[in-house]
Amino acid sequence: NAGVTQTPKFQVLKTGQSMTLQCAQDMNHEYMSWYRQDPGMGLRLIHYSVGAGITDQGEVPNGYNVSRSTTEDFPLRLLSAAPSQTSVYFCASSYSGGSNYGYTFGSGTRLTVV
Amino acid sequence: GNSVTQMEGPVTLSEEAFLTINCTYTATGYPSLFWYVQYPGEGLQLLLKATKADDKGSNKGFEATYRKETTSFHLEKGSVQVSDSAVYFCALWGGSEKLVFGKGTKLTVNP
Repeated sequence: NAGVTQTPKFQVLKTGQSMTLQCAQDMNHEYMSWYRQDPGMGLRLIHYSVGAGITDQGEVPNGYNVSRSTTEDFPLRLLSAAPSQTSVYFCASSYSGGSNYGYTFGSGTRLTVV
Repeated sequence: GNSVTQMEGPVTLSEEAFLTINCTYTATGYPSLFWYVQYPGEGLQLLLKATKADDKGSNKGFEATYRKETTSFHLEKGSVQVSDSAVYFCALWGGSEKLVFGKGTKLTVNP
């Protein structure tokens, strides 16, 4: 099993550009989420989904859009990149919301906005 | 709301030293508790978990006991190795479909 696959691993954007961070899992997990990791801030939840067609906002959703058309994929869209979105982004999935199950994380996308 | 507080470090130890990383939480009800580990350049990996009071999670020589009376879930290892150098995150799931993380503790183990 590949687990959770994130692409790209690295990306540099100019302010105002748009892009999509891809996330795919092959474990038939219903729950998927996006976190950003910043120094001294830990991991903060951006958006999450409890199943295909269902998404909700996390702690820091502004500037990001998501959709969940299939169980496998959960892309994160930056519509107009800002330097404040420079961060490492992690996608995670779980069989359920996480009560007795751990999350499986992707290896991350390091994004720099200049 | 639910929250996790862990010692921020960084923590530097010599090989074979004893490790403790403190973690306390605030939550209503009976949350599940987790420790995740992040090695350099990688994503987070589940290290251990405990889902009810007095449970002890263990893996790779690491242990943590769910203490409801002190709302704590401290991570311990009796003898650390250089390969244990990583960032460790305490996390809580309180039933809201959101896993809440502490800010992480960087551990460096020197030979």
